Amino acid sequence: GAVVSQHPSRVICKSGTSVKIECRSLDFQATTMFWYRQFPKQSLMLMATSNEGSKATYEQGVEKDKFLINHASLTLSTLTVTSAHPEDSSFYICSARNSGQETQYFGPGTRLLVL
Amino acid sequence: QKEVEQNSGPLSVPEGAIASLNCTYSDRGSQSFFWYRQYSGKSPELIMFIYSNGDKEDGRFTAQLNKASQYVSLLIRDSQPSDSATYLCAVNNAGNNRKLIWGLGTSLAVNP
Repeated sequence: GAVVSQHPSRVICKSGTSVKIECRSLDFQATTMFWYRQFPKQSLMLMATSNEGSKATYEQGVEKDKFLINHASLTLSTLTVTSAHPEDSSFYICSARNSGQETQYFGPGTRLLVL
Repeated sequence: QKEVEQNSGPLSVPEGAIASLNCTYSDRGSQSFFWYRQYSGKSPELIMFIYSNGDKEDGRFTAQLNKASQYVSLLIRDSQPSDSATYLCAVNNAGNNRKLIWGLGTSLAVNP
């Protein structure tokens, strides 16, 4: 149980384009999903917290207009990196948490390379 | 600033030994404590969580929590080379979406 998937696992795009990453909870209802970013050899950095049906809460320094988050259902959240630039190249990981629980279960991550 | 601190390592142990990973946290209101393992290039995977003072055992893993000392540890018995990874300690933030506050991780190397 507690399986989280992400799609795509890897994406290469040109600078200036937008990229959408999907995060799905496959066997539970995720009332809250989290989006993280991790640069090589660095720690996880929380970007935003997404509650189903409401606006995401972004961490300080994360541009909400650049990283669009939608959590329209209890099993799906999406992160769209708009007008991507090479400095956005990173490992993007989502996690999901069920209502009333504290444990976060992670997706396998999406590796983004912006050329 | 609510913090979670871990020794970055690397912690090197021989195969079969006990690996001891430590974590301290600053927020006394924290209620849930988690250990995740992250292999290089992969996402974190949950090893254990602990809520109450004392020890919690799951196979070769034992989590130990001491709220008075604001200290949580993870013991890995009979360490295997496949245990070589970065171990992340995370502590819940009781308010503000109950997000997790993460340590920077301890790198563990188990030598055959």
